[in-house]
Amino acid sequence: SYDLTQPPSVSVSPGQTASITCSGDKLGNKYATWYQQKPGQSPILVLYQDTKRPSGIPERFSGSNSGNTATLTISGTQAMDEADYYCQTWDGSAVVFGGGTKLTVL
Amino acid sequence: QVQLQESGPGLVKTSETLSLSCAVSGDSISSHHWSWIRQSPGKGLEWIGFVRYTGNTNYNPSFNSRVTMSLGTSKKQFSLNLRSVTAADTAIYYCARPISETSRGSFDVWGQGIMVTVSS
Repeated sequence: SYDLTQPPSVSVSPGQTASITCSGDKLGNKYATWYQQKPGQSPILVLYQDTKRPSGIPERFSGSNSGNTATLTISGTQAMDEADYYCQTWDGSAVVFGGGTKLTVL
Repeated sequence: QVQLQESGPGLVKTSETLSLSCAVSGDSISSHHWSWIRQSPGKGLEWIGFVRYTGNTNYNPSFNSRVTMSLGTSKKQFSLNLRSVTAADTAIYYCARPISETSRGSFDVWGQGIMVTVSS
């Protein structure tokens, strides 16, 4: 089965740039998707097809995907961005989620 | 505006079958690959599988032998059956819709989730 690996936690100061990575074998040959989930809420789609933002997602959310690593970048991180972030891909036969990264803004 | 709403029992006995439905409003079920995803307490997201309007299904191999998904007779809902449940199946269960009709992932619409506890 295909695996996606994320760091369990990332910390960032308000106003700084946060980067969350997602690693998988030749992930750059697939599309990466990112979700934000706050406690007690359903996940929200923040990026799809590596770099595309759905309507309503702030421009400070951006992404890249190359080689074995996809990266979610949050520029000018705000306190409201504190949440769990999950990467996801389609491996050709199944939807796969990464284990999630807790982003702390402090 | 597309909305999804999960329904079903919040408590299921060990070894029995977990049965959930997802009601779709604001969209035709004759599109997209409609998925079920779960999240165990304090854990990450786990894809269970999807069902398409044709009735075609695709399941996570981890659940393959225990899961069945189907479309509802009303054409406005789809369902999940998970057999022989154990405490490890205790989770919040979400139904979700991908952002495009051709996408299998990239879920832009999620239900609010339903907490299901498995206990003897």
